Amino acid sequence: DQQVKQNSPSLSVQEGRISILNCDYTNSMFDYFLWYKKYPAEGPTFLISISSIKDKNEDGRFTVFLNKSAKHLSLHIVPSQPGDSAVYFCAAGSNDYKLSFGAGTTVTVRA
Amino acid sequence: DAGVIQSPRHEVTEMGQEVTLRCKLISGHNSLFWYRQTMMRGLELLIYFNNNVPIDDSGMPEDRFSAKMPNASFSTLKIQPSEPRDSAVYFCAIPRRGAYYNEQFFGPGTRLTVL
Repeated sequence: DQQVKQNSPSLSVQEGRISILNCDYTNSMFDYFLWYKKYPAEGPTFLISISSIKDKNEDGRFTVFLNKSAKHLSLHIVPSQPGDSAVYFCAAGSNDYKLSFGAGTTVTVRA
Repeated sequence: DAGVIQSPRHEVTEMGQEVTLRCKLISGHNSLFWYRQTMMRGLELLIYFNNNVPIDDSGMPEDRFSAKMPNASFSTLKIQPSEPRDSAVYFCAIPRRGAYYNEQFFGPGTRLTVL
């Protein structure tokens, strides 16, 4: 029973343009959301997070938006760079140790 | 990710064989997670240890899977007997120090192929 869903398995974007990755969740108890980035043959690495008390968090080229009423969050990468080509996982948690992950979105940035 | 070492990095085995995946924590930690990644389901939590004790093993698929954390620096995940549907990438992870508890630091993973 997937509580976190990433409905787009892949995304292709031109270098310099914006990448928008989407994530939906079903559990209203989630109060913390994270994005992880994963390169081939490596483990996922933490990218950016947002608490449920905020609706936006920005870190350089990466911005995460949270819409609690819609149970939806998105990750914006602007401008996209070739090094951003990776798999991106959305994750959500509440006030315990567990994280629920989505299935991932593979981003390909074209030169 | 030098703090979390997984071995082997790749494992190919035949159905029915026993498989043991290892996770070494360079600095030691009292909490550890084992995850499995598949194309269909993404990252799934298999088991969570705290103070070397399994706290939540509800994600362990079935009795063929077992995990141990004998000390703060080492953990194993064993599959006996292995089946083709166990083919996946297995990660261990620890909570990231100094950050909100849910931020987890992953090892490089073990890619398991069961023929």
